[in-house]
Amino acid sequence: DADVTQTPRNRITKTGKRIMLECSQTKGHDRMYWYRQDPGLGLRLIYYSFDVKDINKGEISDGYSVSRQAQAKFSLSLESAIPNQTALYFCATSDELAGENTGELFFGEGSRLTVL
Amino acid sequence: AQSVAQPEDQVNVAEGNPLTVKCTYSVSGNPYLFWYVQYPNRGLQFLLKYITGDNLVKGSYGFEAEFNKSQTSFHLKKPSALVSDSALYFCAVREIYFGSGTKLNVKP
Repeated sequence: DADVTQTPRNRITKTGKRIMLECSQTKGHDRMYWYRQDPGLGLRLIYYSFDVKDINKGEISDGYSVSRQAQAKFSLSLESAIPNQTALYFCATSDELAGENTGELFFGEGSRLTVL
Repeated sequence: AQSVAQPEDQVNVAEGNPLTVKCTYSVSGNPYLFWYVQYPNRGLQFLLKYITGDNLVKGSYGFEAEFNKSQTSFHLKKPSALVSDSALYFCAVREIYFGSGTKLNVKP
């Protein structure tokens, strides 16, 4: 089984619908992240969480919300989806390097969302 | 403002030749720098990182990167490219800022 699992892997929805993307991890990491990938733009950070009680906005949080239900689970919601939220979404985890406050990311396989 | 730039959308190289994928950065404080690779329809995979210490960092699959503070660069290199190295490569600062990606094409 994958260390970082995203569901659904593909979703087509209509404008105005509420969508939830879910992420679970078995790596035991405290830190979890949500990114979106658009061609030519790379990855952009939407939200991140350093532990269950910590939620932080990233570069492009407008139109999104998150919930950290447990150490292993971090979900991303689009309350009212719009077409420009069509993208590939990635969940990732990391562990803090001792004394360095950063570490490499472990990514899920991605969730492709299409908003019509 | 902190940022990462990958000036080349695509790099083409013949198998067996050396490859370089360029990355420049702008950060305040310590430049924690990372390289990731993405194969088609897959998530990103970690290749290597620079946190501190030796400017030449070695990573997975024979890749290495050189941290150059004066030029604010962190270019990814490999002495001899393989067709299987063909993928999308991303440079990143911490977990926060990613470059736009460079598509590496290795021709047989």
